[in-house]
Amino acid sequence: SQQGEEDPQALSIQEGENATMNCSYKTSINNLQWYRQNSGRGLVHLILIRSNEREKHSGRLRVTLDTSKKSSSLLITASRAADTASYFCATDQAGTALIFGKGTTLSVSS
Amino acid sequence: DTAVSQTPKYLVTQMGNDKSIKCEQNLGHDTMYWYKQDSKKFLKIMFSYNNKELIINETVPNRFSPKSPDKAHLNLHINSLELGDSAVYFCASSHAPGATEAFFGQGTRLTVV
Repeated sequence: SQQGEEDPQALSIQEGENATMNCSYKTSINNLQWYRQNSGRGLVHLILIRSNEREKHSGRLRVTLDTSKKSSSLLITASRAADTASYFCATDQAGTALIFGKGTTLSVSS
Repeated sequence: DTAVSQTPKYLVTQMGNDKSIKCEQNLGHDTMYWYKQDSKKFLKIMFSYNNKELIINETVPNRFSPKSPDKAHLNLHINSLELGDSAVYFCASSHAPGATEAFFGQGTRLTVV
């Protein structure tokens, strides 16, 4: 059962620009997480935001959560070539597992 | 030390064969998962184990059988491999099911020919 949907599917920007990715989900959640996947690698956790939080920051990352709209956004500021990766949102499914969206592929060119 | 390790990293096998993928975590987590990632990068949960007990089995064919000998290990055995099983399989672990950060292995790329 798929929970999250990321938008856009692909995003190409220049170094130094900001990148914004959006995630929509269907059912109520306890938390929402964002992960990064570099090509050919496993997923790496970036940030977790709980359902009672509206915004969270970690370094160049800013995550917002709007539970009334069932949506979240991930903002990466001052992008670098090393940020090139796929980004996934994930929500908890009734305390059983993390359910991932389809991901946004970000390409940052120098 | 690798937190979540899977072996093998690559697996090429013929249709009809039986194969296993091993996963071990040294994080002391209670929960382990198997995910399948298809060619479009869609990650689908297959199994979730908490304290060695199966808590989720997402409509996976019964040719796939997970085995958790202890909390640190969750192996995946696949019988009668089919072409459609070709994918990257990821093992992951977390403190609690879905509620906390998950740590992923590097993946096993399975190719069925």
